[in-house]
Amino acid sequence: DGGITQSPKYLFRKEGQNVTLSCEQNLNHDAMYWYRQDPGQGLRLIYYSQIVNDFQKGDIAEGYSVSREKKESFPLTVTSAQKNPTAFYLCASSIPPSGRSSYNEQFFGPGTRLTVL
Amino acid sequence: DAKTTQPTSMDCAEGRAANLPCNHSTISGNEYVYWYRQIHSQGPQYIIHGLKNNETNEMASLIITEDRKSSTLILPHATLRDTAVYYCIVRVGMSRNYGQNFVFGPGTRLSVLP
Repeated sequence: DGGITQSPKYLFRKEGQNVTLSCEQNLNHDAMYWYRQDPGQGLRLIYYSQIVNDFQKGDIAEGYSVSREKKESFPLTVTSAQKNPTAFYLCASSIPPSGRSSYNEQFFGPGTRLTVL
Repeated sequence: DAKTTQPTSMDCAEGRAANLPCNHSTISGNEYVYWYRQIHSQGPQYIIHGLKNNETNEMASLIITEDRKSSTLILPHATLRDTAVYYCIVRVGMSRNYGQNFVFGPGTRLSVLP
């Protein structure tokens, strides 16, 4: 079945360590996104990528890094520079809006809950 | 993108219609209204979107006022599985920088009660 997968579902990390969160999609979508969600809050955009080998910072990119070497994959690295990394991380993908359509639905993965010990 | 305001929480009896309001008084002419929902600890799920006409799909109906400054998401027969946080988002439909344009606020926490 087509969809977005994120792994692992739960991740624990010691303070000061870098950790990489996986995001894979087989929907043939060009665009991919990473969001962070804190308890009781909405989603905040970390990074996004509109096409392979290109990515842009979102609202809260500091302390994070990404790569987009393949269309299907958009891994997020939470570095030790991220001051408060404990959060729920969501990956999404979408088709860019076409000339006739405004439709830009984002499909979300199940998320990874990162806890820094 | 225009900001939206939604009530923090709402209750609805099972089997009744759930009407979730959203104010977007600064919406511009080329911005669409999107609704997503997020069930606890899962990724958000797209529900519906519209520009100025009312829209309906298998999940919900979207009613947009004539001045487009507010909208209402209607779940016609709410079930316990509809308990979730519902997000109202306005964004430009066609943009080269579409990746920046989904801004999720805190949403409305809908509780469907038996």
